[in-house]
Amino acid sequence: AQSVAQPEDQVNVAEGNPLTVKCTYSVSGNPYLFWYVQYPNRGLQFLLKYITGDNLVKGSYGFEAEFNKSQTSFHLKKPSALVSDSALYFCAVRVLNTGGFKTIFGAGTRLFVKA
Amino acid sequence: GAGVSQSPSNKVTEKGKDVELRCDPISGHTALYWYRQSLGQGLEFLIYFQGNSAPDKSGLPSDRFSAERTGGSVSTLTIQRTQQEDSAVYLCASSTPTSGEDGNEQFFGPGTRLTVL
Repeated sequence: AQSVAQPEDQVNVAEGNPLTVKCTYSVSGNPYLFWYVQYPNRGLQFLLKYITGDNLVKGSYGFEAEFNKSQTSFHLKKPSALVSDSALYFCAVRVLNTGGFKTIFGAGTRLFVKA
Repeated sequence: GAGVSQSPSNKVTEKGKDVELRCDPISGHTALYWYRQSLGQGLEFLIYFQGNSAPDKSGLPSDRFSAERTGGSVSTLTIQRTQQEDSAVYLCASSTPTSGEDGNEQFFGPGTRLTVL
């Protein structure tokens, strides 16, 4: 079955430290991978995506993610966390099924950045 | 330009009543999606429209749930005979026209918070 997993319900990091939010996927064929962020009391926002090309993709707010085909991972990273990065982060994969393209979201990882 | 809008923002209803949730996608976006998010949880896919047709209804949890889209624009999600377990935030998203492979990101509305008493 095609799926995406975020193994951590919560990640805690101190402000200024690097952060990583993990994502692994299981799909047939080449995946289209996305990260979205949901700030408190706000809707989901697109952060970045991997379609093809360089394995390291850069997105909004200084975030980046690395596509690793051998490990089927797409971890989200930021070199220096800010308190304002505290939010709920979703990894997603776009898959092709009988009904067309469908996006499967992970369960989400809540990031807490402490001052 | 305007983003995805949803109405109402909040809906409180009694068990057994029907509710209609509305989504206005970004102008020109032919793909439209409905998701459900329970409190602090992940997104559950409900249904996907390409234009006015729904090639993927696999996520609708029961036959009490239905959705339609008219004119390739506004979509309505209807829940009949609501149950307490239907309480959630219902999110709508749209994306740019696609043909063939689809690497386009989705733009989400603010959601409708449904509470069934």
